[in-house]
Amino acid sequence: DIQMTQSPSTLSASVGDRVTITCRASQSISSWLAWYQQKPGKAPKVLIYETSSLESGVPSRFSGSGSGTEFTLTISSLQPDDFATYYCQQYNSFWTFGQGTRVEIK
Amino acid sequence: QVQLVESGGGVVQPGRSLRLSCVASGFTFSTYRIHWVRQAPGKGLEWVAVIWYDGSNKYYADSVKGRFTISRDDSKNTVHLQMNSLRAEDTAVYYCARGAGGSYYDYCDYWGQGTLVTVSS
Repeated sequence: DIQMTQSPSTLSASVGDRVTITCRASQSISSWLAWYQQKPGKAPKVLIYETSSLESGVPSRFSGSGSGTEFTLTISSLQPDDFATYYCQQYNSFWTFGQGTRVEIK
Repeated sequence: QVQLVESGGGVVQPGRSLRLSCVASGFTFSTYRIHWVRQAPGKGLEWVAVIWYDGSNKYYADSVKGRFTISRDDSKNTVHLQMNSLRAEDTAVYYCARGAGGSYYDYCDYWGQGTLVTVSS
């Protein structure tokens, strides 16, 4: 089974900050990685798929990069609506989520 | 617009069964895979099961294999998750989600609002 490890678990940041979240896979997953945003009491929403493709309607301040086993989600300028929990998910071999990264207000 | 609506959650005793339903609308249901993903209270997301667009493939997480069964009824645009031998650790919000397709394994592009299952005596 492929394990996904996100870091950090919690991130404190201010509006306007550049934020980076890392996701590591226990084995190569090629580019089959997605990022989701989840707000309290709501369903997850996909932001990025296939490592770097932006889902329709998602602001361009979100971007993804990486390949193989190491991936990053970057928010170029954090907005008030971006305070949420973010999950990576591999879909190279079955499906596995990372444990999540909570982005909170500093 | 794409919509997925889950139902069937509730409180159930350990060892008992429950069937969840996910009704889809706004897209050609018979051409998409449907996933179930769950989230225990205060915890992260856990993928549970998927059914292929034609029902030809069904996959399950190890934690539910042999106890949960996924099925679909294309005449009703509905996917079911039959959950047997429920345990306390199955307590979670259960989401159904549409598989985006485009690769053998896929990500989830639309999600329902979730239904809460509580396993407790």
